[in-house]
Amino acid sequence: GDSVTQMEGPVTLSEEAFLTINCTYTATGYPSLFWYVQYPGEGLQLLLKATKADDKGSNKGFEATYRKETTSFHLEKGSVQVSDSAVYFCALSDHGNNRLAFGKGNQVVVIP
Amino acid sequence: GAVVSQHPSRVICKSGTSVKIECRSLDFQATTMFWYRQFPKKSLMLMATSNEGSKATYEQGVEKDKFLINHASLTLSTLTVTSAHPEDSSFYICSARDPAGGPGDTQYFGPGTRLTVL
Repeated sequence: GDSVTQMEGPVTLSEEAFLTINCTYTATGYPSLFWYVQYPGEGLQLLLKATKADDKGSNKGFEATYRKETTSFHLEKGSVQVSDSAVYFCALSDHGNNRLAFGKGNQVVVIP
Repeated sequence: GAVVSQHPSRVICKSGTSVKIECRSLDFQATTMFWYRQFPKKSLMLMATSNEGSKATYEQGVEKDKFLINHASLTLSTLTVTSAHPEDSSFYICSARDPAGGPGDTQYFGPGTRLTVL
């Protein structure tokens, strides 16, 4: 079935550092891809999305490009802030059943 | 943007009692809502898909008699945890799909409900 794989382990970095979180997927069709962010004690917020190959989603300085050839949707931000500390989930949606498959999430901690 | 609310945000109950959690789409009509469960430091586990006016579709391993889902209107779905036990303690999150939200089948998530069963 459809699945999403995120890199293992938390990510700790200093303010203004470059952030990359890897995400790869397995899908039989042509899914839509998402990044969601979860701040402590809260639900998930949609950060960005891409619906077809080569699309680039962007929001709040974050970007991710839908790479069909490498089945990837890596999240990047050029200069992180302390307020970006959160858990980031990569997800895909199969258009056929509207269900989301989530990766395990990555805890990002930005140190001042 | 689309807003989804949940109520209550936190609930503490005694073992054996039932708890109802509400999920509302505030500014759009959601024919489909989803219920997730999230364990500490873990990803979201889809429990069931709730379709307005019909029975919910439960994921494998989720007890339908324990987690009762009702989707009586286009803006409200409820999850009732019946005869709750400590192992049911978790963070429950709902989401709603906005069919008018354009391509990508975007789901909008509620803020979650923290259930603690004593």
